[in-house]
Amino acid sequence: RKEVEQDPGPFNVPEGATVAFNCTYSNSASQSFFWYRQDCRKEPKLLMSVYSSGNEDGRFTAQLNRASQYISLLIRDSKLSDSATYLCVVRPGGGNKLTFGTGTQLKVEL
Amino acid sequence: ETGVTQTPRHLVMGMTNKKSLKCEQHLGHNAMYWYKQSAKKPLELMFVYNFKEQTENNSVPSRFSPECPNSSHLFLHLHTLQPEDSALYLCASSQDQGSGYNSPLHFGNGTRLTVT
Repeated sequence: RKEVEQDPGPFNVPEGATVAFNCTYSNSASQSFFWYRQDCRKEPKLLMSVYSSGNEDGRFTAQLNRASQYISLLIRDSKLSDSATYLCVVRPGGGNKLTFGTGTQLKVEL
Repeated sequence: ETGVTQTPRHLVMGMTNKKSLKCEQHLGHNAMYWYKQSAKKPLELMFVYNFKEQTENNSVPSRFSPECPNSSHLFLHLHTLQPEDSALYLCASSQDQGSGYNSPLHFGNGTRLTVT
């Protein structure tokens, strides 16, 4: 089983739609969780950290389910500018190592 | 706008060349990283430096040689690379997790490397 697993997509959705991505992780001792966004041929950029109680930032909501070992990202009212690859990132344990998923590609269309 | 700068942005080198990638962070972080991103693959961690000391070498071939002279600068020296080493090489920095931080990574723009 991969350490961090994501559906690669692509998810093609119309503007204004709500879309959700899930990510599963294998190490139950994982401590920190993040969602990053990566545009084509650019570096990944932090979208949001994921906290145990769930957290929201504008149109974006992140959830953590430790029992089932997955995190999710919900995007409401999708914009064309949301088109990108969304990377799930997990810190498996102590130390500085972070593990990235392969990413889920989102395409928002008119 | 990034607090992590990498040079060069693009690099084409032959298999017998020697070149170096440079990374500098202006964020006051004390951990620095090299990642490799190949097409259709997740980011692969190569090296981690914490307070200038290497704490992780993810089974990287010796043709890649990192150097971290201080907490703000990180180099990746390249020699006798192979065509399959062509990829995007990303530098990142963060606060040291041992300080109790839940610190995300901040990436540089990357160096797109082509080995011919």
